[in-house]
Parts: sequence; C-alpha cells; structure tokens
Amino acid sequence: NAGVTQTPKFQVLKTGQSMTLQCAQDMNHEYMSWYRQDPGMGLRLIHYSVGAGITDQGEVPNGYNVSRSTTEDFPLRLLSAAPSQTSVYFCASGGGKFNYGYTFGSGTRLTVV
Amino acid sequence: AQSVTQPDIHITVSEGASLELRCNYSYGATPYLFWYVQSPGQGLQLLLKYFSGDTLVQGIKGFEAEFKRSQSSFNLRKPSVHWSDAAEYFCAVGPPNTGNQFYFGTGTSLTVIP
Repeated sequence: NAGVTQTPKFQVLKTGQSMTLQCAQDMNHEYMSWYRQDPGMGLRLIHYSVGAGITDQGEVPNGYNVSRSTTEDFPLRLLSAAPSQTSVYFCASGGGKFNYGYTFGSGTRLTVV
Repeated sequence: AQSVTQPDIHITVSEGASLELRCNYSYGATPYLFWYVQSPGQGLQLLLKYFSGDTLVQGIKGFEAEFKRSQSSFNLRKPSVHWSDAAEYFCAVGPPNTGNQFYFGTGTSLTVIP
C-alpha cells in the first residue's frame, strides 16, 4: 500500500516553463488536495477535488491548473512558472465525507529560476 | 473568515520535560480539528483529530490535545518529550461533515535539548 505518491521529488524550472506535478493515491479516497508550503506561512491550499471530475479553487489558485479524470490521480499543472512559485508542494488525500484527516505525500521541492 | 493561529513560532524544551503547543482558531461553527507533525524533509503525519464528544483526545506517539470551545483552542500536549519529537507541528481545522478544505496554522518548530 503506497499511500500518496508524488513525483518528482525535486525540480528546477526556468521562468516561463510549464510542468506537471504528479500525484497518485491508492486508497480510493474521494478527496484530494494540493498545498504549497512556504517558510513562515504554513500550508496554503491551491486546489482541491471532492471526486473524479470535480475540482475547485483554494486560497492561492493563480498560476495553477488541476484536473481529476480518475479517483487515483490529481496532477497539478504550472502554466508559466514564476519565481514566486518556488515552494514545496504537497499532495494530500482523504477518505469519506466525515473528514478523517488527510494522508500527505512526501512533497515536491520546486525551484524556479 | 477561517483562520488558525499558532502563536509560538519556535519552542525549545529539555528532553523529559512536558510540552504544550498552542493553537487557536476562528471558524463559523465548531470545526474538525487536527494536529500534524512534519519531520525535516518529510510530509505531514496525522497525530490526532477531534470531531466531537470527549474534549480530550489521544493521539500517536504519546500526544494528546484538549478542545476548549470557550477559548477556541486546541492545544497539543505531551507529558515527557523525547529527542525524536523534534519537528514542526501544525494545527489544522476543517469543515465538519465534508473533507474538502483544511486551513493550517503557520507551524511551531520544536527543538529538544539533551
């Protein structure tokens, strides 16, 4: 049982480049989310999904897109990378409507130069 | 607006001493409450959660937390800290009966000295 798997673990991008951060879970969870973690700011919600085909914006959605074509996968796309998107990104998934808490992936450290 | 405040950015305790990490929240209704721990370079691990009922909840690794509605607080405690408890601790709130949005505090970094 792998839990939540994020790839890649590290990435360096040039300003203006695009890329996709992958997230997959094998727990059949309905809810999946993307957070970014910045020093002194905790975790901030980027986008979330309550099931396949359903996504919504969180606190800081600008510059990011998501889709949820399957229950297992929830990729995060950076459309045109900016230095302000340098951060550590975490994917999380949770099961059921009673909000039992999320399982987090190990993170992707992204640097935009 | 929903918010979570962890007033202590950094705490240092001696091994074997007791620990209390503070968390205050602002939310429209009584939310679901969580504490997570993050070791360096790792993801977040759930320590404990409160949904309803007994206001003192037990978690993993010997941690407990107490929900105080009147103070909008959910403080994390441990009677005797171990060196391996050194990590970043995050308090989080989420809406009851759904699972779609969490709000996290900015975290408290714990250093344990021998």
